[in-house]
Amino acid sequence: GEDVEQSLFLSVREGDSSVINCTYTDSSSTYLYWYKQEPGAGLQLLTYIFSNMDMKQDQRLTVLLNKKDKHLSLRIADTQTGDSAIYFCAAAPGRGGYNKLIFGAGTRLAVHP
Amino acid sequence: GAVVSQHPSRVICKSGTSVKIECRSLDFQATTMFWYRQFPKQSLMLMATSNEGSKATYEQGVEKDKFLINHASLTLSTLTVTSAHPEDSSFYICSAKLPTPTNEKLFFGSGTQLSVL
Repeated sequence: GEDVEQSLFLSVREGDSSVINCTYTDSSSTYLYWYKQEPGAGLQLLTYIFSNMDMKQDQRLTVLLNKKDKHLSLRIADTQTGDSAIYFCAAAPGRGGYNKLIFGAGTRLAVHP
Repeated sequence: GAVVSQHPSRVICKSGTSVKIECRSLDFQATTMFWYRQFPKQSLMLMATSNEGSKATYEQGVEKDKFLINHASLTLSTLTVTSAHPEDSSFYICSAKLPTPTNEKLFFGSGTQLSVL
């Protein structure tokens, strides 16, 4: 089955860019997602990318997809303290998008002054 | 965006009791809802898919008699943890899917922290 992996922790200085990386194993994954979770809260969809795209930009967020290497990254420009949270990468194997999301373990982003 | 309300946000119970968690879609009708479980510093694990008016589909390894799911209406799904034990202590999150062809229309509740003593 699909396996999604991400590094567990990232620390950046306020104003710098953050890059969170993710790898997945199922090449049939059609949609790949990035979610943000703040303490004690549910998940908030940040952005997603369809597998036929290489890049997607949405304001401060840039998603890069290397389908050959099954590697996904999320870049947050001008990182702010409010960006401190856990970021989950998720893949939707096969057809059907949301029908069965497989999540990574989450990357805890800490932003310091 | 659409709102999914999950209640309660936190519950502490004694071992052997049953706990019911509610997931409501407040401003849309959700024919499909999902229940996830999250252990500390770990990922979300899909437990089951809840479909309105039919039996839930459970993931491999999830005990259906232990985790009862009822999706009686288009806006409400409930998860009941029966005869809870300390190992059931976890963060449970529901999500609801908008009945549209687009795939980004999935909204999460704020989660329920269950602690079984």
